[in-house]
Amino acid sequence: GNSVTQMEGPVTLSEEAFLTINCTYTATGYPSLFWYVQYPGEGLQLLLKATKADDKGSNKGFEATYRKETTSFHLEKGSVQVSDSAVYFCALFSNAGKSTFGDGTTLTVKP
Amino acid sequence: EPEVTQTPSHQVTQMGQEVILRCVPISNHLYFYWYRQILGQKVEFLVSFYNNEISEKSEIFDDQFSVERPDGSNFTLKIRSTKLEDSAMYFCASRVGETQYFGPGTRLLVL
Repeated sequence: GNSVTQMEGPVTLSEEAFLTINCTYTATGYPSLFWYVQYPGEGLQLLLKATKADDKGSNKGFEATYRKETTSFHLEKGSVQVSDSAVYFCALFSNAGKSTFGDGTTLTVKP
Repeated sequence: EPEVTQTPSHQVTQMGQEVILRCVPISNHLYFYWYRQILGQKVEFLVSFYNNEISEKSEIFDDQFSVERPDGSNFTLKIRSTKLEDSAMYFCASRVGETQYFGPGTRLLVL
């Protein structure tokens, strides 16, 4: 079956540091890939997406590139802010018509 | 921007009681979903719904669970006889294309 593996957290960074959260996937066919963000006490917000190989999704300074050769979709941001503190979920949406999520990575950004 | 809404935001119930969680999907979407997230764990697929019938369900979605689209706007998840382990955040989602949009969730606590 499909699966998503995220780097283990939690991740703690200082403000303005560079962020990478690794995500790799296993899937049949050609899934679409997503990053969702969950702020404390809130629901899942779509952060960015990529629907085919070599696509780059970007939003709010975050970026991720769909790498089919390495089955990866790593999330990056050049300069994090305290307000980026949240849980980040990598997910794939497959032809089967449902999403498979990673375990989530908790990011804490300190001033 | 249209969004998925869910009610109630929080629900506390006694073990063995029935609960109904409500969702209003985005109006032009045709595919609907329920997911759940036990505290501190990953988001898990429960069920997908299309054309007034279940299209797929997970092993979690046993006979205690049911879904319904009682009118043109609402989409409900019913748990017939709640168990302690049903305590979780329940997310509704709707989809157009390959992108799912999630509601803010209902936090269910079974005592």
